[in-house]
Amino acid sequence: QQQVKQSPQSLIVQKGGISIINCAYENTAFDYFPWYQQFPGKGPALLIAIRPDVSEKKEGRFTISFNKSAKQFSLHIMDSQPGDSATYFCAARPGTASKLTFGTGTRLQVTL
Amino acid sequence: GAGVSQSPSNKVTEKGKDVELRCDPISGHTALYWYRQSLGQGLEFLIYFQGNSAPDKSGLPSDRFSAERTGGSVSTLTIQRTQQEDSAVYLCASSRTASNQPQHFGDGTRLSIL
Repeated sequence: QQQVKQSPQSLIVQKGGISIINCAYENTAFDYFPWYQQFPGKGPALLIAIRPDVSEKKEGRFTISFNKSAKQFSLHIMDSQPGDSATYFCAARPGTASKLTFGTGTRLQVTL
Repeated sequence: GAGVSQSPSNKVTEKGKDVELRCDPISGHTALYWYRQSLGQGLEFLIYFQGNSAPDKSGLPSDRFSAERTGGSVSTLTIQRTQQEDSAVYLCASSRTASNQPQHFGDGTRLSIL
């Protein structure tokens, strides 16, 4: 019930393309869904987050799409750049708790 | 400092030894979390401190793991009698309060057990 499933495990996208990473969850008590970006040797950094009262949130080239009925959410990176090459983690947290449950990560490589 | 500070950045030790990992959260952040990241895996919650409340230890994998937070600031994660499966990156995060606030992560301690 606490699991968050993330796919794909790895992704290669050409510069300028759209990167799409998907996550699915089981626990209907989850009400906060952040995405983190992690570069090698660094800690994860919060990229963008959404709550289930909206279906989409956009910040610059990064968009979260949220489907409450399907219990799925996804990260879209528009106009992907080589500097976006990193590992991306989705996560979820129920309103009554503070600890985050993370997906297993997606390693994104943006090629020239 | 501006961010969460963890030390050491790398630790190599022999199986059976005890290790201590340190986390210095962002000033003013009352909530502090420890996570473990194994190779190719997501982050696994270990323990959470909020102010003076009793910590949430529900993620600690065994009684060899313990953590404390002194004075509501610096935290130490201790692993006793280390095993090879303890090899991982140990990440600390802090947030202003427990709920509805983003967690800011340090760069972690990479622990290798020989």
